[in-house]
Amino acid sequence: AQSVTQLGSHVSVSEGALVLLRCNYSSSVPPYLFWYVQYPNQGLQLLLKYTSAATLVKGINGFEAEFKKSETSFHLTKPSAHMSDAAEYFCAVSPAPYGQNFVFGPGTRLSVLP
Amino acid sequence: DTAVSQTPKYLVTQMGNDKSIKCEQNLGHDTMYWYKQDSKKFLKIMFSYNNKELIINETVPNRFSPKSPDKAHLNLHINSLELGDSAVYFCASTPEGGDTQYFGPGTRLTVL
Repeated sequence: AQSVTQLGSHVSVSEGALVLLRCNYSSSVPPYLFWYVQYPNQGLQLLLKYTSAATLVKGINGFEAEFKKSETSFHLTKPSAHMSDAAEYFCAVSPAPYGQNFVFGPGTRLSVLP
Repeated sequence: DTAVSQTPKYLVTQMGNDKSIKCEQNLGHDTMYWYKQDSKKFLKIMFSYNNKELIINETVPNRFSPKSPDKAHLNLHINSLELGDSAVYFCASTPEGGDTQYFGPGTRLTVL
């Protein structure tokens, strides 16, 4: 069975500061890991995904995440926050590349302060 | 072009009513899903469906039923609505063998 935890339901950063959103997972099989972003009143949009290739994954809007098997982590980072990054971010794990068994984390709301 | 669309965007109804939410995808995907997002933003998968099988999350009440008239549509029917059904419902789809889900914009259901 898979599960995902996201440390911090709400993270606030100043504009221009580093963004770090934490995701830890548990999986009985090698996982496929995803970060999705949800802007207010919109559906979810894929930011990036890890599917057993390079452990450092680059996504859209300057975000990246690193898969660390030893730490069972897949933290999301961005060097410099923009106001437009304010949104809800969801980490997800799946046991297979085709996602019929996605498990989403509880989400982290990112606020960016001017 | 909207890849995954849902109608209606907002739905307000009384307890005990029966309602449907429609989902259509024009991506040619094989698998479609319904998710429920509660007031705390927690997302839970309700169903996944392709032309081969329907997989139901066992925690979903049988008042909820997916109906797929064709490969591009997966509608969600809800009978005897309850207050606890108030949430945002998202439809999503993936291609055969794909690993990325494409989400619709959501339907906010409010049960009074």
